[in-house]
Amino acid sequence: NAGVTQTPKFQVLKTGQSMTLQCAQDMNHEYMSWYRQDPGMGLRLIHYSVGAGITDQGEVPNGYNVSRSTTEDFPLRLLSAAPSQTSVYFCASSYSGPGYGYTFGSGTRLTVV
Amino acid sequence: GIQVEQSPPDLILQEGANSTLRCNFSDSVNNLQWFHQNPWGQLINLFYIPSGTKQNGRLSATTVATERYSLLYISSSQTTDSGVYFCAGKAAGNKLTFGGGTRVLVKP
Repeated sequence: NAGVTQTPKFQVLKTGQSMTLQCAQDMNHEYMSWYRQDPGMGLRLIHYSVGAGITDQGEVPNGYNVSRSTTEDFPLRLLSAAPSQTSVYFCASSYSGPGYGYTFGSGTRLTVV
Repeated sequence: GIQVEQSPPDLILQEGANSTLRCNFSDSVNNLQWFHQNPWGQLINLFYIPSGTKQNGRLSATTVATERYSLLYISSSQTTDSGVYFCAGKAAGNKLTFGGGTRVLVKP
């Protein structure tokens, strides 16, 4: 049971480049979400999904796209990377019903130069 | 959205000491959770505790939902307890909002 798997662990991009951060879970969780963590600012929600085919915006969605074609996968796309997107990105998943906590992936450290 | 305030922001403990971390919410929340982020950055779910009290080893948590706060107790602290502790909760909807965290350093 791998839990939540994020790839890559580290990435350096040039301004204007695009890339996709991968997130996969093998727990059959309905709910998946992406957070970014910046120094001194805690975790901020970017996008989330309550099931395949359903996504919605979080607190800081600008510059990011998501899709949820399967229950297992929830990729995060950076369309045109900017230095302000330098951050650590975490993917999390959980069952939708009450009583279940979130499981986090190990994170992707992204630097945009 | 809801505001989540954690206190204190920083805490230095001598190994073996006890401590209490606090989390206040600006509105009623459900799905209240506590997390520990270790020095390597991994986020671990400690408690799912929308109300009442739970204990897991040397850690325990209490949530008083009617007064919109939660407490995390660390007893007999160890150096492995170092890291950042986050609380998070959901108001209406599906957005889990995090507090700014309490950074804990346990000295041997």
